[in-house]
Amino acid sequence: GAVVSQHPSWVICKSGTSVKIECRSLDFQATTMFWYRQFPKQSLMLMATSNEGSKATYEQGVEKDKFLINHASLTLSTLTVTSAHPEDSSFYICSARDKGAEGSPLHFGNGTRLTVT
Amino acid sequence: GNSVTQMEGPVTLSEEAFLTINCTYTATGYPSLFWYVQYPGEGLQLLLKATKADDKGSNKGFEATYRKETTSFHLEKGSVQVSDSAVYFCALTRFSGGYNKLIFGAGTRLAVHP
Repeated sequence: GAVVSQHPSWVICKSGTSVKIECRSLDFQATTMFWYRQFPKQSLMLMATSNEGSKATYEQGVEKDKFLINHASLTLSTLTVTSAHPEDSSFYICSARDKGAEGSPLHFGNGTRLTVT
Repeated sequence: GNSVTQMEGPVTLSEEAFLTINCTYTATGYPSLFWYVQYPGEGLQLLLKATKADDKGSNKGFEATYRKETTSFHLEKGSVQVSDSAVYFCALTRFSGGYNKLIFGAGTRLAVHP
C-alpha cells in the first residue's frame, strides 16, 4: 500500500534554532501534501497545504515565516520550524494523496514529535 | 465554521464488549465523514467513510452511519478485540482554497483488555 515516511520521528532542539521535518511519499507521487499539528489531547490542526512547485497555502493564524514549507518534488515536502521556541513543541504530522488516484484517501506519516528546550 | 466533536477518552472495555464512540459535527453544506485509526507507533489509517446522508461506512467489523438529522457519525463495533486498542479520530472534509481538507476531532483512545 501507499506509504508516507516522515523524518525524524522525534527531535529535541534548543530555543532559537531551526528544525526541518521531511515528508516523503515512498511509492506514489503527491502533488499536494498537508501538514498538521497536534497538541496533547487535542485535534489535529491543519497548518498548511503544500503544493509541488508552488507556494504553500497556510491556514488562518499560522505564521508563514515561522513554518516554512517547501515542496520541491512530487515525493518530498519539508516543514522547517524557524527560530523554535518552547511553545512550538508539538506533534507534527504530514499527509499526502496519490496524484494518480483521484478520490483516494489521504495517507499519513507517523508524525514527528518536536521538543524545544 | 466546520468542526468535529468526539467523546473524550480513554474508553476502556473488556474483550468482546460492544463499542460506541460518539462523534457529532457542525458544517455548512454536506461534508463527507470519516473515521481514522492510529495504532501505537503508526500513522493514521482510514477506517471507514460515508459521503452522503444515511450512508453506512463499514470495515473490519466497525460501522458508522451518516445521520444528517442529528449531525452525527457514531462509530460502533459489536465485539471488540485487544487488537482494536488505538486512538480513533472522527473527521469531515471542508472544501477550501481549491482543496478538500480534513478537519479532525480530538481523538478517542480505546483500550481493550483481555
